[in-house]
Amino acid sequence: GAVVSQHPSWVICKSGTSVKIECRSLDFQATTMFWYRQFPKQSLMLMATSNEGSKATYEQGVEKDKFLINHASLTLSTLTVTSAHPEDSSFYICSARDLGTSGLGLYNEQFFGPGTRLTVL
Amino acid sequence: AQKITQTQPGMFVQEKEAVTLDCTYDTSDQSYGLFWYKQPSSGEMIFLIYQGSYDEQNATEGRYSLNFQKARKSANLVISASQLGDSAMYFCAMREYRDDKIIFGKGTRLHILP
Repeated sequence: GAVVSQHPSWVICKSGTSVKIECRSLDFQATTMFWYRQFPKQSLMLMATSNEGSKATYEQGVEKDKFLINHASLTLSTLTVTSAHPEDSSFYICSARDLGTSGLGLYNEQFFGPGTRLTVL
Repeated sequence: AQKITQTQPGMFVQEKEAVTLDCTYDTSDQSYGLFWYKQPSSGEMIFLIYQGSYDEQNATEGRYSLNFQKARKSANLVISASQLGDSAMYFCAMREYRDDKIIFGKGTRLHILP
């Protein structure tokens, strides 16, 4: 089955530093990747949609200058949390959509990574 | 307005009993898909079941079935013969055809009691 990996799985950093999280589709090509954030005991909130070779589309209320997204290839998207602060501590999950999906495109062709737990001290 | 509503923040169910997790949704689209995901404490999102808006039959996947009532905009998940390993957070989600993204409900935490 389709596999999406994230690296690192967890990271602890000091306030003010930048952290990069990678999302890779291992056995399929992904035109579109999605970044979600999940605070403890809450739901997944979509942050942005990342399309290969173009700028990401951010959801309302998400600071694009703080959460930099780069989708440089069909298998890799990166999320950089710039000048991280303790309130950015969260679980970040990416998902990737399979380029090869046909039909209406509604079926489960979107696969989730295992998540990255970010703790900012 | 919320697009996905899960009204049960937590549920306790005895092992081997069936359990129904509620989900209602809101969309003006004719074409959409409904999903259920399981999230154990490890955090990974595990896909359970999918129902398309044009599917006439309720989706089933092993012990999971989706009770799809389109007129009521309801997509409840039914887990038959619950097991201890079913204890987790469960999310209902929707994707509208005109949009690319999957939107999640707030989730229901399910506890299976031995």
